[in-house]
Order: sequence, then structure tokens, then C-alpha cells
Amino acid sequence: EVQLVESGGGLVQPGGSLRLSCVASGFTFSSRAMTWVRQAPGKGLEWISSLGRNGDDTYYADSVRGRFTISRDNSKNTLYLQMNSLIAEDTAIYFCAKDTWWVTSWGQGTLVTVSS
Amino acid sequence: DIQMTQSPSSLSASVGDRVTITCQASQDISNYLNWYQQKLGKAPKVLIHDASNLETGVPSRFSGGGSGTHFTLTITSLQPEDFAIYYCQHYEKGRPSLTFGGGTRVET
Repeated sequence: EVQLVESGGGLVQPGGSLRLSCVASGFTFSSRAMTWVRQAPGKGLEWISSLGRNGDDTYYADSVRGRFTISRDNSKNTLYLQMNSLIAEDTAIYFCAKDTWWVTSWGQGTLVTVSS
Repeated sequence: DIQMTQSPSSLSASVGDRVTITCQASQDISNYLNWYQQKLGKAPKVLIHDASNLETGVPSRFSGGGSGTHFTLTITSLQPEDFAIYYCQHYEKGRPSLTFGGGTRVET
């Protein structure tokens, strides 16, 4: 069974940083591209970043490019999202997701709140 | 950038009803269109990929159609567990980039 477990969310002040982690199990992590999707409270889904199998190919939404960095450690079956220069509009549940063209599995999400 | 517009944004239906949700792309996207269901407080779940391909384990009352710019998700006989929000999503094969529609809330 595929499992994706996010962690690292929390309350952060505007301008601050957070690093989200997602530990994967139940599939060969190193052979799958991975994705982060977020959902602001009461709002729809927003793709923010994807990463190729070896970590060399990275893709970002315009809303986070230059502030967020996606990465992975295949030896630890873990996906990361480094979030810098956070703003109020980044407040959302952040979902770790398997694959890119269509998301076949999702984590339960971790809540990031940006507020002073 | 390609925009995905869903309609309606919400609809009221009853168990047993036939429900159709529409997703319109701002330009031709071939069949690069997926559908998800999201229940309250849960992560989304993919129902259909590439416009009309039912994911394994998804009930056959769900079906998807369309190509180019106009797509539909149909639930032939709405069940109590189908009350949820449905999203369409376009993907670009050349570079991973997902665009979601605004969602359609199906409520009683």
C-alpha cells in the first residue's frame, strides 16, 4: 500500500522559512516523479512544484518560483519542500503527491500558517 | 497559460440522480485531462485520467468524456458517498505543470 506522510508544517511569521518533508513507502520511490500541491483554507487545489525521479528536473508554479525549492533523498525515500520568504498567501494545507501527469496517491497533508 | 473552467461551481442533487460536471479548457489540450474527488477533510482521489480512463477501483457509475476543450464527468446514479467536491486537472506532457479547475461541489 502506498503511503505518503508529510511533516514540518506549522505557524511561521511572514518572511520566515519552513521545510516540509514527505516520507514515502509502498512503492519504489526512486522510480517515480513527485509533486507538491497545496490548498488554501476553503479554496481549490493549486499545483506548486514537481520533481523528476533523480531530482535533476524541477518545476515550479510562478507563485512560488524563487522562494520554494523541491528536492528529494532517494536513499531515505523522502521528498522535501524548502519554503523561504513566506507570505500570508502561502497559508494552506500542503499535500505530497506521487507522480506528475496525474496524481495517483496523496498524503494527508500538513498545514502551514503564515501569520504574525 | 491554459485556464480550466468548471461548471457549475456547485449543484444540488439527490441519491439516484444523474449528474454531469463540465470542464472547459481555454485552448486545445487533447485528452490531457484528469478528474479528482475530494471529500471534506480528506486528500483528493483520482477518478479518471486522460479524459475517459477509469482508475482501478473506481465505480463504473463514474465516466469521463470529451477532448480538445470540452470535457465532462458524469455520475450515472449518485450514491450517498458521492457527495463531494470534484476537480478537473490538465497536465502538460512537455514540462510537468498541473492546472486545476475551480471545483464543483455536489451537495444534497
